[in-house]
Amino acid sequence: QVQLVQSGAEVKKPESSVKVSCKASGGTFDTYAISWVRQAPGQGVEWMGRIILLLGLANYAQKFQGRVTITVDKSTSTAYMELTSLRSEDTATYYCATVSINNDHYYMDVWGKGTPVTVSS
Amino acid sequence: DIQMTQSPSSLSASAGDRVTITCRASQYISGNLNWYQKKPEKAPKVLISGASTLQNGVPSRFTGSGSGTEFTLTINGLQPEDFATYYCQQSYTIPWTFGQGTKVEIK
Repeated sequence: QVQLVQSGAEVKKPESSVKVSCKASGGTFDTYAISWVRQAPGQGVEWMGRIILLLGLANYAQKFQGRVTITVDKSTSTAYMELTSLRSEDTATYYCATVSINNDHYYMDVWGKGTPVTVSS
Repeated sequence: DIQMTQSPSSLSASAGDRVTITCRASQYISGNLNWYQKKPEKAPKVLISGASTLQNGVPSRFTGSGSGTEFTLTINGLQPEDFATYYCQQSYTIPWTFGQGTKVEIK
């Protein structure tokens, strides 16, 4: 089964940007989509967006519209999530996950280990 | 956006107990409801998809039920490794949304 390997921890200044990568290891992105989820310290998990691999079409949560871009490089089986105009509230662990379909139901099944991002001046 | 509301937000239970977590959607989502287990410093793990389909490798003590707007996750015979936070998530429509989580703690 494919594993997702995420890039390492990041420390960023407010107003800067971060780009987190998510690479399929041991296979390719043989999946419907890649989704990104984050969890801030002491908070719940939050869906950020997804990209449908066949179409290259991305959808985002309204909260992140205009600040987040999800892309995929099929040649290297790597997905990216870029978040701009960072603020302290963006300090969180960011996860990528494959999206599978079973009986027309979508779910996130294979997950990366997470990338901690700290935003601090 | 569809709001997902879980209850309770937390509970204390003992090993061997039966635990039930409820998830309500603010609008109809058919059976497009998934349950995840989250432990500190670990990625979420999908337990159940499509409201009731147990994922490969997940113990049969986990069961999911419901349709429409109300769903439940039941753990029959709580094990030490089950102490974690559980999240429901709707995949009926974009944006996908999670419940706020239910923390299952040791009594």
